[in-house]
Amino acid sequence: NAGVTQTPKFQVLKTGQSMTLQCAQDMNHEYMSWYRQDPGMGLRLIHYSVGAGITDQGEVPNGYNVSRSTTEDFPLRLLSAAPSQTSVYFCASRVGSGNTIYFGEGSWLTVV
Amino acid sequence: AQTVTQSQPEMSVQEAETVTLSCTYDTSESDYYLFWYKQPPSRQMILVIRQEAYKQQNATENRFSVNFQKAAKSFSLKISDSQLGDAAMYFCAYRSDQGGSEKLVFGKGTKLTVNP
Repeated sequence: NAGVTQTPKFQVLKTGQSMTLQCAQDMNHEYMSWYRQDPGMGLRLIHYSVGAGITDQGEVPNGYNVSRSTTEDFPLRLLSAAPSQTSVYFCASRVGSGNTIYFGEGSWLTVV
Repeated sequence: AQTVTQSQPEMSVQEAETVTLSCTYDTSESDYYLFWYKQPPSRQMILVIRQEAYKQQNATENRFSVNFQKAAKSFSLKISDSQLGDAAMYFCAYRSDQGGSEKLVFGKGTKLTVNP
């Protein structure tokens, strides 16, 4: 049981490039979400999913795209990276009936 | 919209002593969950303790306990017998129990230093 796994852990992008942050969980959790953490801030919700085929926007969705084709995977796509997207990104998951959210170890993204 | 406020940007405590971190929140809902997360320098988010709003009894996990005051919308974290490994950022977070709500609302965090 690996929990929530994020890849890559570190990435440097040039402005305008696109990339995908991968997230996988092996706990059969229905709910998955992506957060970003900026300096001096708590985490803010980008997008979330309540099950395969269902996604919705969070607090800061602009510039990001998600899909949920399987229960296990929830990739986050940056369509055209901007310096303002430099941040630490966290993937998280929970069971439908549970209330504890489990986080991955984070992905550090720098856009230059 | 719900908000979470942590009024102490930084706190320090001597090893083996007790420290309390403050958190207040604003909501019009009656059913929700509250959490404290620890974030060490590795940046991993580690759940410390959680509290269901419908429970009057304060949650306790080993050396960690909370003082949940629902009417005052206050949710403080007490760390007893502080250890060097407790040094980290601590975030208070709120999640609604209303259907369809997935967002955790975080405070800005409190940096805890533990002095030997």
